[in-house]
Amino acid sequence: GAVVSQHPSRVICKSGTSVKIECRSLDFQATTMFWYRQFPKQSLMLMATSNEGSKATYEQGVEKDKFLINHASLTLSTLTVTSAHPEDSSFYICSASDLQGQEKLFFGSGTQLSVL
Amino acid sequence: KQEVTQIPAALSVPEGENLVLNCSFTDSAIYNLQWFRQDPGKGLTSLLLIQSSQREQTSGRLNASLDKSSGRSTLYIAASQPGDSATYLCAVTGSRLTFGEGTQLTVNP
Repeated sequence: GAVVSQHPSRVICKSGTSVKIECRSLDFQATTMFWYRQFPKQSLMLMATSNEGSKATYEQGVEKDKFLINHASLTLSTLTVTSAHPEDSSFYICSASDLQGQEKLFFGSGTQLSVL
Repeated sequence: KQEVTQIPAALSVPEGENLVLNCSFTDSAIYNLQWFRQDPGKGLTSLLLIQSSQREQTSGRLNASLDKSSGRSTLYIAASQPGDSATYLCAVTGSRLTFGEGTQLTVNP
């Protein structure tokens, strides 16, 4: 089946640094990719939707200047957490769809971000 | 605004038991419903996808049903095993993808 690769799986950084998370669709072209955040014992919360070649659409309350999303190709989307702070510590997961987000979604394995 | 509720929030059963997880949603205008499994600290694994025109899907020991008119879905797990222990999430796709809070399942040997 389709595979989405997310890297890194875990990152620990100092407050104020920026962290980039990559999400790749390995055997299909992802026209739409989604980024989620999950705090402990809570469900996934959609942060933003990105379509290849266009600007990402952010959910209400998500700062676009803090969470930079780039979807430059049909197989790669990146999420950069800029000037990370401890409250940004969370589990970040990407997912990809090849049919405008209406069909089956494939998820990355997630990135556990810890900001000290 | 679509709301997805999963009951129970947590479930602990002995190995071998058949069990049912419930998912309800408030807006029946959906394209599909998916059930996922999430292991601690890991991403999601898609288990079953039910299109809005379908009533159920089966994969191995898993069976998911969908009653769109009543806004309900169930995930049936037959002959549960300790390896089934995980959090199970349902998600509906309408104008957007909305997840439930999940059911944390523990299957005891």
